[in-house]
Amino acid sequence: QKEVEQDPGPLSVPEGAIVSLNCTYSNSAFQYFMWYRQYSRKGPELLMYTYSSGNKEDGRFTAQVDKSSKYISLFIRDSQPSDSATYLCAMKLRSSGGYQKVTFGTGTKLQVIP
Amino acid sequence: GAVVSQHPSRVICKSGTSVKIECRSLDFQATTMFWYRQFPKQSLMLMATSNEGSKATYEQGVEKDKFLINHASLTLSTLTVTSAHPEDSSFYICSASRPGYRETQYFGPGTRLLVL
Repeated sequence: QKEVEQDPGPLSVPEGAIVSLNCTYSNSAFQYFMWYRQYSRKGPELLMYTYSSGNKEDGRFTAQVDKSSKYISLFIRDSQPSDSATYLCAMKLRSSGGYQKVTFGTGTKLQVIP
Repeated sequence: GAVVSQHPSRVICKSGTSVKIECRSLDFQATTMFWYRQFPKQSLMLMATSNEGSKATYEQGVEKDKFLINHASLTLSTLTVTSAHPEDSSFYICSASRPGYRETQYFGPGTRLLVL
């Protein structure tokens, strides 16, 4: 079983729709959760970062963490064609001074259709 | 924001040659730099972690003699793929963390390597 599971998609939605992207994980020790956006042939770009259960909002993006269910989500409101990209979830253990390795999901490819 | 650059963006080489990829943090000093490899439709796979002035820490299964990493300064890390073979063809991405922001990584744009 992979530590982080993410549906690769592709997910196609019409412009203006609410998008829900999800990841599940198996290691309950993960403490930090991130969402990255990766356009084709580009490096990932950090979108959201959170370390507690609950919701965190930033513009049209909302990150949700449910540690009891080991489930995280990213919601995109009023989706735009420019949101078309691959979205990777990522997580890591609590730092104890040194660097902790980040574990990535496989990414979900999103296409927003005008 | 924190900007990380990579050079070259893509490279095509013959089998048996060595290829060097540079990763630079342009507006901050990176305490740690990371090298990833990404195959199509697959996740980012961490290859190694490097700190300035010390030897890189390689992930299990990554040949350190094959993938040479040099972190000569706080703004530059290089990955050299030695004696490249077609199976080394992949998308290589570096990232860097900055002091006080250890929990986040800033990624470069990636380098696409094709070995013929």
